[in-house]
Amino acid sequence: DTEVTQTPKHLVMGMTNKKSLKCEQHMGHRAMYWYKQKAKKPPELMFVYSYEKLSINESVPSRFSPECPNSSLLNLHLHALQPEDSALYLCASRPYLREWSGELFFGEGSRLTVL
Amino acid sequence: GQQVMQIPQYQHVQEGEDFTTYCNSSTTLSNIQWYKQRPGGHPVFLIQLVKSGEVKKQKRLTFQFGEAKKNSSLHITATQTTDVGTYFCAGDNQGGKLIFGQGTELSVKP
Repeated sequence: DTEVTQTPKHLVMGMTNKKSLKCEQHMGHRAMYWYKQKAKKPPELMFVYSYEKLSINESVPSRFSPECPNSSLLNLHLHALQPEDSALYLCASRPYLREWSGELFFGEGSRLTVL
Repeated sequence: GQQVMQIPQYQHVQEGEDFTTYCNSSTTLSNIQWYKQRPGGHPVFLIQLVKSGEVKKQKRLTFQFGEAKKNSSLHITATQTTDVGTYFCAGDNQGGKLIFGQGTELSVKP
């Protein structure tokens, strides 16, 4: 299984809502990433988890809260978002053994619209 | 902080013409990766370059990594309509921070 599964595929939420994006992989990868991508822009790194611990936070606002409950799952909790947070949120996993190397396997993304 | 610049932003070619996109990092990289994203899709891995001066080929695609491990290029020979999409380089530092370049959007006119 070489898939990264993201749910939901589409999400519309108001600025006062609380929602979560979910990501799952069963490739045994020990590094998982969240990227944000706006139209015609590159993926922008948000968070990196390695061995279920947060290793990189790219100064993301606290209204985005990541969680890695186990090695297969990655969540992104959303609260009090702004319309400018509307974007495609991409999850990716990566093998991480003794060193950082190897490709990112991306999910299809969750397209978020904040009203 | 680490920055990865990529040019050109857009490239429009006639089918059969060649295409090149260039990537330059502000810092020395442990490796560089290339991804392709079709419209409406997600990035898909093409290749990883690790060694200084490395050159790799995949059919009509040629990838190079500079001697200083700060720049890279992707060259496509004789483009086809199936090559349409946005090509991103992604620079990797020692800490696993994969930063994407701005991407080059390729359109191919039949």
